[in-house]
Amino acid sequence: DGGITQSPKYLFRKEGQNVTLSCEQNLNHDAMYWYRQDPGQGLRLIYYSQIVNDFQKGDIAEGYSVSREKKESFPLTVTSAQKNPTAFYLCASSPRGTGPSNEQYFGPGTRLTVT
Amino acid sequence: LAKTTQPISMDSYEGQEVNITCSHNNIATNDYITWYQQFPSQGPRFIIQGYKTKVTNEVASLFIPADRKSSTLSLPRVSLSDTAVYYCLVGDGGPARQLTFGSGTQLTVLP
Repeated sequence: DGGITQSPKYLFRKEGQNVTLSCEQNLNHDAMYWYRQDPGQGLRLIYYSQIVNDFQKGDIAEGYSVSREKKESFPLTVTSAQKNPTAFYLCASSPRGTGPSNEQYFGPGTRLTVT
Repeated sequence: LAKTTQPISMDSYEGQEVNITCSHNNIATNDYITWYQQFPSQGPRFIIQGYKTKVTNEVASLFIPADRKSSTLSLPRVSLSDTAVYYCLVGDGGPARQLTFGSGTQLTVLP
């Protein structure tokens, strides 16, 4: 059963701690993305990667870091530098390119709460 | 970058046809129009994509006039389970910096 998995579904952390969100896909897609969604808002792009060992900043990359060492994995680290880390985080992938015309497949999301 | 404008919310009743319009006045020649659906606490799901005229699939239809400055997502005979947020995206296969989901349209289907 192909798809994108994100773990955990809910994550709680204390302020000042770094936390890493997992994203794995078995769709053999080249491109992967991380988005952040705040209540009642749309999705905002944090980072994206078109190919292994390459990634680019999105609109709100400050306070976040990523790696793309394997095609199927694109973990996101929320660092202590991120001022308002509490949000719903969504990972996505697309077969080839990273523009809007490429259909994206989304994971179930991770809800991060930092207190 | 093509900016999109959608209504913030819409209400409908079960069994009715719902049309959600997206304005994109500065759409570029290579841009496609793509719609996603998102249920609460889930990731968005691709619904339909088009370039011009009309596209239909098993879920929805997408109408795009000749000037392509707007597009209309049409959902036939909606049910309660169609209550969701609908996003319109405009862009080509180029850099992801064009990826802007905006706030979308909250569709509420009433019994």
